[in-house]
Amino acid sequence: QSVLTQPPSMSAAPGQKVTISCSGSSSNIGKNSVSWYQHVPGTAPKLLIYDNHKRPSGIPDRFSGSKSGTSATLDITGLQTGDEADYHCGTWDTSLSAVVFGGGTKLTVL
Amino acid sequence: QVQLQESGPGLMKPSQTLSLTCTVSGEAINGGGYYWSWIRQLPGKGLEWIGYIYYSGSAHYNPSLQGRVSTSVDTSGNRFSLKLNSVTAADTAVYFCARVRGVLPYYFYGVDVWGQGATVTVSS
Repeated sequence: QSVLTQPPSMSAAPGQKVTISCSGSSSNIGKNSVSWYQHVPGTAPKLLIYDNHKRPSGIPDRFSGSKSGTSATLDITGLQTGDEADYHCGTWDTSLSAVVFGGGTKLTVL
Repeated sequence: QVQLQESGPGLMKPSQTLSLTCTVSGEAINGGGYYWSWIRQLPGKGLEWIGYIYYSGSAHYNPSLQGRVSTSVDTSGNRFSLKLNSVTAADTAVYFCARVRGVLPYYFYGVDVWGQGATVTVSS
C-alpha cells in the first residue's frame, strides 16, 4: 500500500485534458514539495514537475502541477498518444523520514 | 548530460545478497548537492524508495528496509552501490538508481535523473 494515493488508471481522447490526483497527509504533501514523474515501462522515468508546479527545462507547458493542503494534481492538456505512460507523484514524508510515492496512474489516450 | 546505468545480476536465489552498482557519467559524484539513491518498483506496484547515499558516505534508508540494506560510494570510480541482504521473492522488482536533489530532510526538489532500471528476479 503506497503512502500517497492516486487513481490506478485514467483515460481520455487525444486533444482532451486529464487531471491526475495525488492525496497524502499532513506529514508528507501537507509539509513538503510534490514532484511528478512520467514513466513508460522499460525506460527511465522522467521528472515532469518539481516544487509542486515548476517544470524542468524541456518539459512542455501542457504539463502543469498544483498543490492544495494535503493533495496535489497534475494536469495534462492537449493529450497526445505519446503521453500514454504511468504517472507517479512523490514527496518527502517527515514522519517516516523517507521519500514516498503514489501507486502510479496508468494513462491511456484512446 | 548526466546518465546513470545500473548493473548487477538479473536472477538470484532466496537468502542471497543482492548487489547492484550504478555508474554515473557526465557528472562528478563528489560534486556535492545530490543524494545518490536507489528506488525500486515491485511488479504491478508503485515506486518504493530504498535509500540514498551522499558523496561523503552519509546514508539514509527507508525504515521498512532498515537492517537489510546498505549503500556505498566509490568516488574514484564515480559510482555507488546497493546491497540488500536475505532477499526473498518479495524483493523481485525493477531497481532504479537515481539522483535526488534537495536539502533533505528540509527540502525535497525531486528525482531529476534516473537510470533505465535493472530487473532482479528472486526465485528458487
